Amino acid sequence: EAQVTQNPRYLITVTGKKLTVTCSQNMNHEYMSWYRQDPGLGLRQIYYSMNVEVTDKGDVPEGYKVSRKEKRNFPLILESPSPNQTSLYFCASSLAREGHEQFFGPGTRLTVL
Amino acid sequence: DAKTTQPPSMDCAEGRAANLPCNHSTISGNEYVYWYRQIHSQGPQYIIHGLKNNETNEMASLIITEDRKSSTLILPHATLRDTAVYYCIVRVNTDKLIFGTGTRLQVFP
Repeated sequence: EAQVTQNPRYLITVTGKKLTVTCSQNMNHEYMSWYRQDPGLGLRQIYYSMNVEVTDKGDVPEGYKVSRKEKRNFPLILESPSPNQTSLYFCASSLAREGHEQFFGPGTRLTVL
Repeated sequence: DAKTTQPPSMDCAEGRAANLPCNHSTISGNEYVYWYRQIHSQGPQYIIHGLKNNETNEMASLIITEDRKSSTLILPHATLRDTAVYYCIVRVNTDKLIFGTGTRLQVFP
């Protein structure tokens, strides 16, 4: 089944403790991105990647890192999480940047205390 | 990117057609109209997209006015599972989708 998976689905952590949220897709998509969703603010893009080893900042990249060493994986790294990064995170992928359909993962609900 | 305007909420009876409007009066010639929906904090789901012509797929129909300044998403026979927030997005492509507040569709029995 074609899908985007994220792990963990739920995470409660403390300020400053490094964490990684994994994202994987099995559709051989070139384009992958991360969004965060906050009440009243909609979904905002954090980072995106057009292909392996090609990443770029979205609208809200501060406090996040990403890497794209393999086509299927696009982990989101929070080196020193802070409470304002408490949010619902979605990974998404599409065939290419010019593609028309983006597939979203199920989401990761992160709470930083 | 063209700005979109959607009603904040709508109701629809189960089995009836749900018609969700979207205004995008500043749309440019190469921008597509995309519709996504999000069911209760799940990942957004692609529904349909169109450029000029009306489009139909297994989920919905998209009607775009001739001047392209507005469009309507039609769910022909709404079910309870169609209760969701529906987002109308105007973009050149699917890169960096910008989700506004959308329309909260409530389908009732």
